[in-house]
Amino acid sequence: AQSVAQPEDQVNVAEGNPLTVKCTYSVSGNPYLFWYVQYPNRGLQFLLKYITGDNLVKGSYGFEAEFNKSQTSFHLKKPSALVSDSALYFCAVRDLRGGYQKVTFGTGTKLQVIP
Amino acid sequence: EPEVTQTPSHQVTQMGQEVILRCVPISNHLYFYWYRQILGQKVEFLVSFYNNEISEKSEIFDDQFSVERPDGSNFTLKIRSTKLEDSAMYFCASRGQGVTEAFFGQGTRLTVV
Repeated sequence: AQSVAQPEDQVNVAEGNPLTVKCTYSVSGNPYLFWYVQYPNRGLQFLLKYITGDNLVKGSYGFEAEFNKSQTSFHLKKPSALVSDSALYFCAVRDLRGGYQKVTFGTGTKLQVIP
Repeated sequence: EPEVTQTPSHQVTQMGQEVILRCVPISNHLYFYWYRQILGQKVEFLVSFYNNEISEKSEIFDDQFSVERPDGSNFTLKIRSTKLEDSAMYFCASRGQGVTEAFFGQGTRLTVV
């Protein structure tokens, strides 16, 4: 079974400050990990992914995420938040073992960037 | 940039009616998915489809649900007899061979009254 936990329903950060959105995962095998962003009344947009290799992955709009195998975490980060970053962020995992096709999403974290 | 398109954007239907939600995945993608998001809740996996058959489905995807790829471009989700609790945003997604991330459509908001 695969699962994702996003412990924070909402994260508030001042514009220009660094932001972190937390995610932990649970899989049987090696994970594929993803971050998606959802703007109001829009679909899910792919931000970045971790497959293998460097633990720090960079994605769209200046976002990056750090894979930590020992802590089973994949936190999303950005050095300087913009008001336009305000949205709903979903962490997702796909377990490579068993040939699963599905991606399991977390419950989402609402990011509010305050001007 | 290629994208997944879904129609309609909003569908209102009466309880007990059949609905068909339509999706046009990105061309040359081989893996197709339906997810749903009940208002304010998490995104839930419904079904994955590959090589003209269902490869995985969740417990949500019961006998009331079916999927079809009737031609080379469309991918549909049918709900035979809608219930109030089927009201949700339904997302279609597709993924290419050798690509790890799926790309999502804008969603169809289904309202069952």
